[in-house]
Amino acid sequence: EAGVAQSPRYKIIEKRQSVAFWCNPISGHATLYWYQQILGQGPKLLIQFQNNGVVDDSQLPKDRFSAERLKGVDSTLKIQPAKLEDSAVYLCASSSRRMSYTGELFFGEGSRLTVL
Amino acid sequence: AQKVTQAQTEISVVEKEDVTLDCVYETRDTTYYLFWYKQPPSGELVFLIRRNSFDEQNEISGRYSWNFQKSTSSFNFTITASQVVDSAVYFCALGSTGFQKLVFGTGTRLLVSP
Repeated sequence: EAGVAQSPRYKIIEKRQSVAFWCNPISGHATLYWYQQILGQGPKLLIQFQNNGVVDDSQLPKDRFSAERLKGVDSTLKIQPAKLEDSAVYLCASSSRRMSYTGELFFGEGSRLTVL
Repeated sequence: AQKVTQAQTEISVVEKEDVTLDCVYETRDTTYYLFWYKQPPSGELVFLIRRNSFDEQNEISGRYSWNFQKSTSSFNFTITASQVVDSAVYFCALGSTGFQKLVFGTGTRLLVSP
């Protein structure tokens, strides 16, 4: 079974530029999450989708971050304009509906963003 | 508010030593779930275990064991006879019922040297 796919793995941009990250969850997983992991910290939930609807985006900085999950499969996370403090690893995770109640998430390898 | 504290930033051991990773949590929920995830150098977090708040029975899985104590709000993780492949960052996390919103600790980096 293929795991959660993310791209790009690495991205370096200047502040005020924009960037987009892509995630393809495990086939059949209805729930998709984007987490932000700043160096030395634990992952922090940015947004959670159930199919193509948003369940929780309370910690998403909506003035610069946006995310979508068209057709309830792939998802894109965009940052525009980027700030220095956005340097982090952006982790995508997915789970089945049953697993979303138990907390067992399957994570991708992440997209590391460096903002200069 | 929910909070997870992993006071140990980094632990170094020699192969075959036993090591315990500490986790202390705070929550006002009466029903909650505790987790451990492993993050190897490749970056993806790997689920290790989940415990329910109403089940304090300790669990052993191979060289791994978990000690859940509600009285001290702790959920510690012990690796017996550590191996080099155990080197990773380990995260403790807390979640509540319904649609999960896991709160992670800051992680403990474990380095096992030969």
